[in-house]
Amino acid sequence: DQQVKQNSPSLSVQEGRISILNCDYTNSMFDYFLWYKKYPAEGPTFLISISSIKDKNEDGRFTVFLNKSAKHLSLHIVPSQPGDSSVYFCAASAPGGTSYGKLTFGQGTILTVHP
Amino acid sequence: SAVISQKPSRDICQRGTSLTIQCQVDSQVTMMFWYRQQPGQSLTLIATANQGSEATYESGFVIDKFPISRPNLTFSTLTVSNMSPEDSSIYLCSASRTGGLNTEAFFGQGTRLTVV
Repeated sequence: DQQVKQNSPSLSVQEGRISILNCDYTNSMFDYFLWYKKYPAEGPTFLISISSIKDKNEDGRFTVFLNKSAKHLSLHIVPSQPGDSSVYFCAASAPGGTSYGKLTFGQGTILTVHP
Repeated sequence: SAVISQKPSRDICQRGTSLTIQCQVDSQVTMMFWYRQQPGQSLTLIATANQGSEATYESGFVIDKFPISRPNLTFSTLTVSNMSPEDSSIYLCSASRTGGLNTEAFFGQGTRLTVV
């Protein structure tokens, strides 16, 4: 049962354009969502997060949008740069005592930004 | 943030043997976790490493196969026991400082295990 889904295995974008990575979830108990990027031979690096009390969070070139009714979130990268090429994972956590920090991950989307 | 170091970074092991992976955090953290990333797959949580007590395992993972220790607030080990080729994966240690909302989880660089 895949509770967090990234339905696009890959995305190719031209440098300077917008990259939009999508993520859907099924567990209505999730209330905190995170995006990580991962290079080969490295652990995931935290990018940006959003809690369910918000519908948008912005940090520099990265913006995450949350649509709770649709159980959907997206990561926008504007403008995209070749250095953004990586695997991007969406992750979610649910409340309850020590549950935070305990993450359910999507399958990942490989982003390639072409010069 | 926290800096998390894992050792070894990679290993090639014979089937039937065991490997212990160490995870060291540069400061005290509240929570520590172990994940597995099988080839071409997402990250899957193995267990929560509890300081001073037995780890809490997720469905599909058992203590006999993946014994975990956490003797203090900065260190944990994961052992992969009686290995088979199906255990070939990247094993990742994760840590977070608080247990409340807006908790970020940080990751070590991972241990790439190949079982032959």
